[in-house]
Amino acid sequence: KQEVTQIPAALSVPEGENLVLNCSFTDSAIYNLQWFRQDPGKGLTSLLLIQSSQREQTSGRLNASLDKSSGRSTLYIAASQPGDSATYLCAVRANTGTASKLTFGTGTRLQVTL
Amino acid sequence: GAGVSQSPSNKVTEKGKDVELRCDPISGHTALYWYRQSLGQGLEFLIYFQGNSAPDKSGLPSDRFSAERTGGSVSTLTIQRTQQEDSAVYLCASSLVAGGDEQFFGPGTRLTVL
Repeated sequence: KQEVTQIPAALSVPEGENLVLNCSFTDSAIYNLQWFRQDPGKGLTSLLLIQSSQREQTSGRLNASLDKSSGRSTLYIAASQPGDSATYLCAVRANTGTASKLTFGTGTRLQVTL
Repeated sequence: GAGVSQSPSNKVTEKGKDVELRCDPISGHTALYWYRQSLGQGLEFLIYFQGNSAPDKSGLPSDRFSAERTGGSVSTLTIQRTQQEDSAVYLCASSLVAGGDEQFFGPGTRLTVL
């Protein structure tokens, strides 16, 4: 059974810092990995999707990497801003079985302070 | 364009009552998913629809839960004889096709069972 872990569970940084969020998964047979942000009381906003054949994806100040063989992904946020404060979730899609369901990590709650 | 919409945004019900939650996916998306987010459990997959294929119900927690998708578009998640442990945020997502595409989430329905 796929298990997804995110470390740290919570993080507080001053504005302007670069930061890295970590995601690890136990079964490397994944189809893709997706990073989301969730604001309090809101749904999920998709940030980046990395296919299993890719090593990284970039969108603006965000860069996500994937090392499938070691079961790890990182989300790098450059020059953090207070508006980045949210919970960040990673989710993996299996390559077999229920191929389309996502298995989620428990999230990292990020606070960017002024 | 319009994203995934869900209604109601909040639902409070008494234990033992039935509830229906609605999801309108992004127009043209053939795949639709239901997830549940509860405290201490994280996000968990419930059910998945793809076109006219039989749905994948492997995540439904009990036979009190069922879902339909009419005309390949709108979906309704029904919970019969609600229990307090059913209290959670129910999230719907859609993707253009199954198996590889980015999933886009709605804002969720917060269900509280008293």
